[in-house]
Amino acid sequence: AQSVAQPEDQVNVAEGNPLTVKCTYSVSGNPYLFWYVQYPNRGLQFLLKYITGDNLVKGSYGFEAEFNKSQTSFHLKKPSALVSDSALYFCAVRGGNYGQNFVFGPGTRLSVLP
Amino acid sequence: GAVVSQHPSWVICKSGTSVKIECRSLDFQATTMFWYRQFPKQSLMLMATSNEGSKATYEQGVEKDKFLINHASLTLSTLTVTSAHPEDSSFYICSARDAGGVEQYFGPGTRLTVT
Repeated sequence: AQSVAQPEDQVNVAEGNPLTVKCTYSVSGNPYLFWYVQYPNRGLQFLLKYITGDNLVKGSYGFEAEFNKSQTSFHLKKPSALVSDSALYFCAVRGGNYGQNFVFGPGTRLSVLP
Repeated sequence: GAVVSQHPSWVICKSGTSVKIECRSLDFQATTMFWYRQFPKQSLMLMATSNEGSKATYEQGVEKDKFLINHASLTLSTLTVTSAHPEDSSFYICSARDAGGVEQYFGPGTRLTVT
């Protein structure tokens, strides 16, 4: 069965510092991996995805993530955090086999302190 | 990019009434649509998956007679919450995928409050 873990409920970081939001997954077949951000009372905004190719994926708003197959991880990173990055972040995985659906992690709340 | 809209964005209804939420794919054909429910500060919980022209497949524990899903066209799916109760109050999010697609495109969500 597919599963996604985000081991940290909350991540606090000072503005200007680098941030990391962790994600590990379990899936049959090759994984398709995604990061989304959600602001209060809003839907999910797509940040980036890994389907195939280069393990380092660059996405929206300066975010990037690195696919690590051996560690089954897909951690989200940003070199310099902004206060406006404070939001709820979801990692999602989809197995590569046809017809498989998304599985979401529990979410990590990021707070960037000024 | 692919855009999915939801209507209404928020709705308040009285207990015992029914409410319909629409989900539309604006610039692609959504062969598969998904309905999620999200409680405050929690992750998305998949309620059901629907393929155009077919009956929806509901996840375990989701009452299909209470949450009616219709996917009659390649651009529209509706979720009707029947005989709503306060415990149905939640944030409902739809998403859509085209044929053979890898990604799901998410709508902005609908906040339902049942009084």
